[in-house]
Amino acid sequence: RKEVEQDPGPFNVPEGATVAFNCTYSNSASQSFFWYRQDCRKEPKLLMSVYSSGNEDGRFTAQLNRASQYISLLIRDSKLSDSATYLCVVALGGATNKLIFGTGTLLAVQP
Amino acid sequence: EPEVTQTPSHQVTQMGQEVILRCVPISNHLYFYWYRQILGQKVEFLVSFYNNEISEKSEIFDDQFSVERPDGSNFTLKIRSTKLEDSAMYFCASSDNRFETYEQYFGPGTRLTVT
Repeated sequence: RKEVEQDPGPFNVPEGATVAFNCTYSNSASQSFFWYRQDCRKEPKLLMSVYSSGNEDGRFTAQLNRASQYISLLIRDSKLSDSATYLCVVALGGATNKLIFGTGTLLAVQP
Repeated sequence: EPEVTQTPSHQVTQMGQEVILRCVPISNHLYFYWYRQILGQKVEFLVSFYNNEISEKSEIFDDQFSVERPDGSNFTLKIRSTKLEDSAMYFCASSDNRFETYEQYFGPGTRLTVT
């Protein structure tokens, strides 16, 4: 089983649509959870950390379900500028806190 | 806003040559990382560095790789004898990790092409 699993997409949605991405992780000892965004041939940029209580940042809402080892990201009112690859990332914590990346989900927002 | 910087942005080298990739982490961060991303694949952890020593390394980080922080600001990744399969984007990242903030911030990357 992959450490972090995501649907690769692509998700093609019209502007203004709501889109949801899901992710599962295999290691129940994972401590920290993130969504990063990556534009083509650029670096991963932190979108938001994900907490068990859920968190929201403008049009973006992230949820974590530790029991199911499941993470989600909801984007409301999609903009053309949201087109990117969305990376689900987990970390085991501890001294190094190395990040384990999913393969990413490609989002294409159409005009 | 403080950011991680990396140089060069693109490095072309011949197989068997040594390369050094440079990074300047965010100034008050204490943990430093290298990751790589082969074209079309996921981002993979290479090594983490804290308190002037390696804290963890992956299977990819073999004897051909080394890291150091020579002057308190730069953080370098050296590949002693490059192979074709080392061609990838190499990203440096840094984090604070104090107060339980574990977010890592990435530099723009160095594209390494081994011919």
